[in-house]
Amino acid sequence: QKEVEQDPGPLSVPEGAIVSLNCTYSNSAFQYFMWYRQYSRKGPELLMYTYSSGNKEDGRFTAQVDKSSKYISLFIRDSQPSDSATYLCAMTETGRRALTFGSGTRLQVQP
Amino acid sequence: DGGITQSPKYLFRKEGQNVTLSCEQNLNHDAMYWYRQDPGQGLRLIYYSQIVNDFQKGDIAEGYSVSREKKESFPLTVTSAQKNPTAFYLCASSIGTSGIYEQFFGPGTRLTVL
Repeated sequence: QKEVEQDPGPLSVPEGAIVSLNCTYSNSAFQYFMWYRQYSRKGPELLMYTYSSGNKEDGRFTAQVDKSSKYISLFIRDSQPSDSATYLCAMTETGRRALTFGSGTRLQVQP
Repeated sequence: DGGITQSPKYLFRKEGQNVTLSCEQNLNHDAMYWYRQDPGQGLRLIYYSQIVNDFQKGDIAEGYSVSREKKESFPLTVTSAQKNPTAFYLCASSIGTSGIYEQFFGPGTRLTVL
């Protein structure tokens, strides 16, 4: 079983929809949670980073962490065609020198 | 502009050859990382370096080697011992490994073995 599971998609939504992207994980020591966006044939770029449980909002993006369920989510409001990309979750624990990535979910926002 | 550059963008290699992928950053970051990305898989860590002249193996270091002679540079050599080297290779950096949560990535090098 992988340490981090992420549905590969593709997830296709109409423009303006609310998108929900999710990851589950098995390591209860994970405390730092990140979402990266990766456009085709490009390097990932950091969208949001949260520590421990709770919510964090940045513009149209909201990240949620539920440590009791080992489940994290990224919500995108008013989705745009420019949001079409692969979204990677990543996580780590204090003192660990590496990130563990999910396999990524491909999102397509149709105009 | 500050950032990370990787070269070349595309690289073709014959079986049995060693190739070196370049990674340079001008962000003044101490830590640098090499990842490999395969279709349907997340990024997997090959090597990382916290400071000059020091580096550590990641999860899939076999068949790869690195050096860190300058803060700005962290080249990766894919040796002939790497059994399945065709992949997308990503270099990243962070302020330090304490800033591991905020890694900045380069544009990647796509390596194909012919």
